[in-house]
Amino acid sequence: GAVVSQHPSRVICKSGTSVKIECRSLDFQATTMFWYRQFPKQSLMLMATSNEGSKATYEQGVEKDKFLINHASLTLSTLTVTSAHPEDSSFYICSARGGNARAKNIQYFGAGTRLSVL
Amino acid sequence: QKEVEQDPGPLSVPEGAIVSLNCTYSNSAFQYFMWYRQYSRKGPELLMYTYSSGNKEDGRFTAQVDKSSKYISLFIRDSQPSDSATYLCAMSANSGGSNYKLTFGKGTLLTVNP
Repeated sequence: GAVVSQHPSRVICKSGTSVKIECRSLDFQATTMFWYRQFPKQSLMLMATSNEGSKATYEQGVEKDKFLINHASLTLSTLTVTSAHPEDSSFYICSARGGNARAKNIQYFGAGTRLSVL
Repeated sequence: QKEVEQDPGPLSVPEGAIVSLNCTYSNSAFQYFMWYRQYSRKGPELLMYTYSSGNKEDGRFTAQVDKSSKYISLFIRDSQPSDSATYLCAMSANSGGSNYKLTFGKGTLLTVNP
C-alpha cells in the first residue's frame, strides 16, 4: 500500500504557541489530502480537505484561521494550529488520496500526531 | 439516522475464533467500501477495499458488500491477539465533486484473548 508519513508523532506545547504538523506522501502523488481530528474512543472527524495549489475546504464548525492548511506540492501538506489552547489538545491525523483511477477513493493515513497544549 | 451505523462493541473473542464485523448505511450513492484497522494511538491502516457488491478475500480477511441490503461485513478467520484493535468501516460515493470524502462508522473495538 501507499505510504503517508506524518511528523511529529507527539508534541507538547505551551498555550498561545503555534504548532505545525507535516504530512507527506512518500511513494505517490497526493491529489487530495485530508486532515482529521480524533477524540478518545471516537471516530475520525474530518476537519478540512485540501487539493494541491488550492485553498483548503473546511468542514462546518472548523475555524480556518485557527487551523491553517497549506498544500504546496503533490507530496506535502501542513496543518498549523495557531495560538494553541488546551482545548486544541487532540489526536490529529492526515490522509492522502492519489489520482489512480482504480483507487481514487482510497485514503491512506499517516500515523497521527498527539498534541498536548499545557 | 446516521449515514453509517457500526456497533462500537467492545467485542471480545478467544484466539482462533471467527470474527464478524458489520456496518449498515443509508446512502445508496456509496459505491466504494473500505475497512481500516486502527491500533491505539496510531493512524488507520487500510485492510480491505471493495467496489460495489461482492466478496473479496485477502488471507484471513474477507470483506462482503451487499448493496441491496446496504450492509457490509468484515470476517476475520483464525483471529490472533495481534488483531486486537479498532476496526473502522468507511465508504464513499463516486463523486469527484465531494473530493471523494469518506464517511466512517464509529469503529468496533475488538479484543482477541490468548
